[in-house]
Amino acid sequence: QKEVEQDPGPLSVPEGAIVSLNCTYSNSAFQYFMWYRQYSRKGPELLMYTYSSGNKEDGRFTAQVDKSSKYISLFIRDSQPSDSATYLCAMDKDSGYALNFGKGTSLLVTP
Amino acid sequence: NAGVMQNPRHLVRRRGQEARLRCSPMKGHSHVYWYRQLPEEGLKFMVYLQKENIIDESGMPKERFSAEFPKEGPSILRIQQVVRGDSAAYFCASSRGTANTGELFFGEGSRLTVL
Repeated sequence: QKEVEQDPGPLSVPEGAIVSLNCTYSNSAFQYFMWYRQYSRKGPELLMYTYSSGNKEDGRFTAQVDKSSKYISLFIRDSQPSDSATYLCAMDKDSGYALNFGKGTSLLVTP
Repeated sequence: NAGVMQNPRHLVRRRGQEARLRCSPMKGHSHVYWYRQLPEEGLKFMVYLQKENIIDESGMPKERFSAEFPKEGPSILRIQQVVRGDSAAYFCASSRGTANTGELFFGEGSRLTVL
């Protein structure tokens, strides 16, 4: 079993929809949970970062962590075509740099 | 552009040749990290370097791969005697000091194709 599982999609939604992206993990030692956005042929850029369980909101983005279920989510409200990208979840025990990434979910927001 | 700079962006090598990938960190950053993204896989941590020091190479394959970050110049990831399985995107990230989670800034990657 991989440490981080993420459905690769693709996921296609109409503009304005609420998008839900998810990852599961197996290592209970993970404490830090991140979502990165990666446009085609570009590097990952950090979107959201959460420590331990709970919710965090930043504009149209909300990250949720449920450590009891080993499940994390990213919600995107009022999705825009510019949100079309691959979304990567990443987790860390406490190193600060040895992140464990999911494969990424490809999202397409259609006008 | 003050971001993490990687070159070449694309590199084609035949089996048995050597590949050298370069990474210049963001201005003011002295810590560099290399990740590899194999096809259909997530990014995997390879190595963490500071100037002239390898801090953590726990993710580096045991053979043919090496990395350096000299006092002057970019960090270099070197792959000797490449095989088809080395075909991947190699990403470099940097941080100002010892990274706290979420403080890594990634470059756009170097895509290696081995024929």
